[in-house]
Amino acid sequence: SQQGEEDPQALSIQEGENATMNCSYKTSINNLQWYRQNSGRGLVHLILIRSNEREKHSGRLRVTLDTSKKSSSLLITASRAADTASYFCATASFMNRDDKIIFGKGTRLHILP
Amino acid sequence: DGGITQSPKYLFRKEGQNVTLSCEQNLNHDAMYWYRQDPGQGLRLIYYSQIVNDFQKGDIAEGYSVSREKKESFPLTVTSAQKNPTAFYLCASKSHLNTGELFFGEGSRLTVL
Repeated sequence: SQQGEEDPQALSIQEGENATMNCSYKTSINNLQWYRQNSGRGLVHLILIRSNEREKHSGRLRVTLDTSKKSSSLLITASRAADTASYFCATASFMNRDDKIIFGKGTRLHILP
Repeated sequence: DGGITQSPKYLFRKEGQNVTLSCEQNLNHDAMYWYRQDPGQGLRLIYYSQIVNDFQKGDIAEGYSVSREKKESFPLTVTSAQKNPTAFYLCASKSHLNTGELFFGEGSRLTVL
């Protein structure tokens, strides 16, 4: 079963605008991570937020986490054409020393020139 | 350079044949993971290993097998029992213990004819 569900499934915006993607999950987590994937390539880690954190920034990325609602959002500010990619959230749960990391279905982001 | 290497990048096989996908890492990571990705879909966990000579089933382990005889290597065999083996397979690794990002290979695309 997939833990995270991203919303929207696809997003097209003009270059320079901000892009917001959301992720909801079902069970308790230790941390939540966001990854980026260019078509046909491996995933690249963007940012990690721990369960006791509420917000984190990295360059043009801002991630929020609301554990009471079991949801997270990824904001990309001042989007560029090079940001066109698929974005995935992944949840890590360390129950019983079991280091399982589960991905959602992703949001396909397309930046229009 | 440190990294994770998957081979082959593309693989074609006839139905009924077993195939083995290679995954090697020189990052000295303890944990390794195999995911399957279907077109336009997220990643689904097949198997993962937290330590040499030990591995756990993920959400879709049926029809697959793995081994972890060396820390650096985590090969995946797609057996003839896997009903829909055509997919993009991604291997990843990470440092053990709780937090930490996944480092991905560039993937292996398997097509069964």
